[in-house]
Amino acid sequence: AQTVTQSQPEMSVQEAETVTLSCTYDTSENNYYLFWYKQPPSRQMILVIRQEAYKQQNATENRFSVNFQKAAKSFSLKISDSQLGDTAMYFCAFMKLPNTGNQFYFGTGTSLTVIP
Amino acid sequence: DAGVTQSPTHLIKTRGQQVTLRCSPKSGHDTVSWYQQALGQGPQFIFQYYEEEERQRGNFPDRFSGHQFPNYSSELNVNALLLGDSALYLCASSLDPGSYEQYFGPGTRLTVT
Repeated sequence: AQTVTQSQPEMSVQEAETVTLSCTYDTSENNYYLFWYKQPPSRQMILVIRQEAYKQQNATENRFSVNFQKAAKSFSLKISDSQLGDTAMYFCAFMKLPNTGNQFYFGTGTSLTVIP
Repeated sequence: DAGVTQSPTHLIKTRGQQVTLRCSPKSGHDTVSWYQQALGQGPQFIFQYYEEEERQRGNFPDRFSGHQFPNYSSELNVNALLLGDSALYLCASSLDPGSYEQYFGPGTRLTVT
């Protein structure tokens, strides 16, 4: 079974500063994807960034980047130059490969507040 | 291009009743997955539909059932509602069952009293 743990229920950051959200996971699989999703108050889950486990290079999407440590089973999200629109719940998620049913395993989320 | 849509937005039901939630996938998507998100928790996978059949199921009782129509839209049915079924129910669609790229709808907030 796969488990995803987010140990920071709530975090806050000043606008324009940098914040890092933590995620650890447990799996016996060797091939998988990891994701960070954002869920704003509108409730619609939006994909922020994706990391393939076979890739050593950390994924980057504009102001969002990850620190993927496969051996440590750690997958943190760094948000640079935080903006008010980044205020949301952030969920870390795991999907094993090959995937015959795109079953995602989600963490419990981190509520991020960007302070003006 | 419409994304994933869900109806209704909110719903209040009484214990023991039955409820049906609806989802229309993103245009071009033929696979629909359903998730339950309890308050303060991450989404939990209920099941996935592809080619009008349930392809995979999470750890949910038989009270939770679904259906997929020829136009790829889907319904989630919950019978004999319990207070613990109160949650946000999310629908996600993808191009195929194995795709990592899922698009989520805004969800249906179900409250059981």
